[in-house]
Amino acid sequence: SQELEQSPQSLIVQEGKNLTINCTSSKTLYGLYWYKQKYGEGLIFLMMLQKGGEEKSHEKITAKLDEKKQQSSLHITASQPSHAGIYLCGADRRDSNYQLIWGAGTKLIIKP
Amino acid sequence: GAGVSQSPRYKVAKRGQDVALRCDPISGHVSLFWYQQALGQGPEFLTYFQNEAQLDKSGLPSDRFFAERPEGSVSTLKIQRTQQEDSAVYLCASSGSGNPYEQYFGPGTRLTVT
Repeated sequence: SQELEQSPQSLIVQEGKNLTINCTSSKTLYGLYWYKQKYGEGLIFLMMLQKGGEEKSHEKITAKLDEKKQQSSLHITASQPSHAGIYLCGADRRDSNYQLIWGAGTKLIIKP
Repeated sequence: GAGVSQSPRYKVAKRGQDVALRCDPISGHVSLFWYQQALGQGPEFLTYFQNEAQLDKSGLPSDRFFAERPEGSVSTLKIQRTQQEDSAVYLCASSGSGNPYEQYFGPGTRLTVT
């Protein structure tokens, strides 16, 4: 069962457009981790957020964690074909033995 | 250094066969995790090692699943008498002593049981 809700499940975006993916938990998070996965490959670590209100950017990807530490968003500016893939959020709820709790993923397709 | 590696990348097994999946974590990483990922889903936790000690195996779906890390580096996930429902991608991740939640993943082994 997925204890983290990700939305949307899938997204088709015209190249050059902006997009946002959301990740919501019913419980307070100690840390939120964004990963990207391409078909047939493992998960690539993107960013980690730990503080309420924290925002981090890497190239054209920005991730934020809300003040209550229950929701995170991943925003991509001026999307490119290289951004295509599945974006997964993983959460540290500090109630498990270092395992991450995962969302089901958002499949992103970039139309040229 | 090199990232996490897994072998084989793809495995087809007939129902009832035993399989062994290997994970080479990043050198020096203390923590090692195995996850199972079904198509279209996020990873599901299977088991966790800290060095050679298996500290959590609560996610292993049945006693047909067994994992070991005898020398605290390479790990093997073994599945006995494979069933069709075992078909999935098996992901291995490792993390250093700084933040165990910051996990680095291998490419996965795609297991298909026919």
